[in-house]
Amino acid sequence: SQQGEEDPQALSIQEGENATMNCSYKTSINNLQWYRQNSGRGLVHLILIRSNEREKHSGRLRVTLDTSKKSSSLLITASRAADTASYFCATDAFSGKLTFGKGTLLTVNP
Amino acid sequence: DTGVSQDPRHKITKRGQNVTFRCDPISEHNRLYWYRQTLGQGPEFLTYFQNEAQLEKSRLLSDRFSAERPKGSFSTLEIQRTEQGDSAMYLCASSQGLQAYEQYFGPGTRLTVT
Repeated sequence: SQQGEEDPQALSIQEGENATMNCSYKTSINNLQWYRQNSGRGLVHLILIRSNEREKHSGRLRVTLDTSKKSSSLLITASRAADTASYFCATDAFSGKLTFGKGTLLTVNP
Repeated sequence: DTGVSQDPRHKITKRGQNVTFRCDPISEHNRLYWYRQTLGQGPEFLTYFQNEAQLEKSRLLSDRFSAERPKGSFSTLEIQRTEQGDSAMYLCASSQGLQAYEQYFGPGTRLTVT
């Protein structure tokens, strides 16, 4: 079963704009991770945020985590056409295995 | 390239046939995971190994599915008597350490059952 739910399911923006994706989950977690998947390809790890962290940055990525609301957000600043992909949040509930959401399909138009 | 590799990348088989997929994790990663992904969905956990021990199996993994990691290195996933519902992308990932860390995914094996 899928624990995370991303919102929106699809997002279309212009190059240079910021993209924000949200993720909600149901159970207590050890950490939450965001992955990117280009069409028909494997997943690429973007960022991991632990349950005792509230915000994390990596390049143009900013992730927040609110464990009281069981939610996370991924912000991609100054988007590029190459950022076009599906983005998934995945939760680790202290077992190591990941539970993924259905993903957000991001399209960045040049 | 020292990333996770999977073989084959594509497999077309007829219903009722057996198929076997192979995954080679990143060298010295002690954890290896198998996930299944269908169109429009996120990956779903199937099973994982720590070294050669299979520690957890999902309820999705019916008796027709079996996975091994005999020497704690590469792993195989076998599906017996394939059904059309088995058509999916099968993803392998590996990670290092006893605690949870980021997982590194392979390119996947796309299975089509006709």
